[in-house]
Amino acid sequence: AQSVTQLGSHVSVSEGALVLLRCNYSSSVPPYLFWYVQYPNQGLQLLLKYTTGATLVKGINGFEAEFKKSETSFHLTKPSAHMSDAAEYFCAVSDRSNQGGKLIFGQGTELSVKP
Amino acid sequence: DVKVTQSSRYLVKRTGEKVFLECVQDMDHENMFWYRQDPGLGLRLIYFSYDVKMKEKGDIPEGYSVSREKKERFSLILESASTNQTSMYLCASSPPGEAYGYTFGSGTRLTVV
Repeated sequence: AQSVTQLGSHVSVSEGALVLLRCNYSSSVPPYLFWYVQYPNQGLQLLLKYTTGATLVKGINGFEAEFKKSETSFHLTKPSAHMSDAAEYFCAVSDRSNQGGKLIFGQGTELSVKP
Repeated sequence: DVKVTQSSRYLVKRTGEKVFLECVQDMDHENMFWYRQDPGLGLRLIYFSYDVKMKEKGDIPEGYSVSREKKERFSLILESASTNQTSMYLCASSPPGEAYGYTFGSGTRLTVV
């Protein structure tokens, strides 16, 4: 069965600093991986996804993530944090046991950005 | 712009009431999902549906039911609301298959008093 672990429920960075949010997955088949962002009192918005092909995936708002099969990781990065990046971030893997497209989410990481 | 619309952003209901949360999508998606989100617990799947009139239980279906009479609409029903059902409820939809991910609605924050 697939699962997702996000390391660190809270991450705090200074404005302009590197953002690194960690995600590790467990999957017995090639995974499809996703990152979502949630701003306060809103739904989740897709940042980026990996399905096949290039392992470095670029998303919206300057974020990118690299699929590393050997490390079973899909960490999210952004070179320079902006105040507007403060939000909760969720990593997800597609449940490929039933081919229906159901996602399995991590617990989320809340990102704070200090001025 | 494609959308998943949840009928209410904020809702306050009394204990014991029957509560309906409505979700409508305009993308002709086959799959629809209901999650609840609570601090420290992440997103927990309540029910999902892969087709009209079809439903499957998720991880926490107790105290909930769903209805999908039309492809675009997926309703979550709290048969008899309780205070432990106070939560943020999120609806999502997706095309069939594993590579697409979800489109989410804006959420309904339900308070049961």
